[in-house]
Amino acid sequence: KQEVTQIPAALSVPEGENLVLNCSFTDSAIYNLQWFRQDPGKGLTSLLLIQSSQREQTSGRLNASLDKSSGRSTLYIAASQPGDSATYLCAAPNQAGTALIFGKGTTLSVSS
Amino acid sequence: DAGITQSPRHKVTETGTPVTLRCHQTENHRYMYWYRQDPGHGLRLIHYSYGVKDTDKGEVSDGYSVSRSKTEDFLLTLESATSSQTSVYFCATGNPSTSGAETQYFGPGTRLLVL
Repeated sequence: KQEVTQIPAALSVPEGENLVLNCSFTDSAIYNLQWFRQDPGKGLTSLLLIQSSQREQTSGRLNASLDKSSGRSTLYIAASQPGDSATYLCAAPNQAGTALIFGKGTTLSVSS
Repeated sequence: DAGITQSPRHKVTETGTPVTLRCHQTENHRYMYWYRQDPGHGLRLIHYSYGVKDTDKGEVSDGYSVSRSKTEDFLLTLESATSSQTSVYFCATGNPSTSGAETQYFGPGTRLLVL
């Protein structure tokens, strides 16, 4: 059974810092690994999707890496801004590949 | 953004009453999902559908049923609401494949309070 864990649960940083969010998963036979963002009271927005054949994906100041052998993914945010404050969720497919299993998220607060 | 709407957006109901939440998509995605989100538990899958009239249970399906009579609509029914079903419910859609290239798209959520 796929299980997804995220650490830390919460993170507070001053504006401008670079930071890393961590995600681990138990079943490495995955098609992809996804990172989502959730703002308070809102739905989820897909940030980055890394296919199993890829090792990383980049979008602007965000870079996500995937290491299937160790069951880990990281989301790197460069030069953080107050607008980055949100909850970041990592998700991996279930064993059947039909649905996503989510971590509990990391809540990020960036102060100006 | 994918065209996913949920209705109602907010609902207050009493214990023991049936409740139906609706998800509507305009993307023609084959798969549709219902998740619930609770503090300390994150997002958990309730039920999902892989086609019209084709559904399967997720991690927390007890007390819930679903129906999909059209590609674009996926209904979640709480047969007899309990306070433990107070939650935020999210609908999602997608076309998962072995290529791993497809993401899921989420609706705005429905906040349900069971008194």
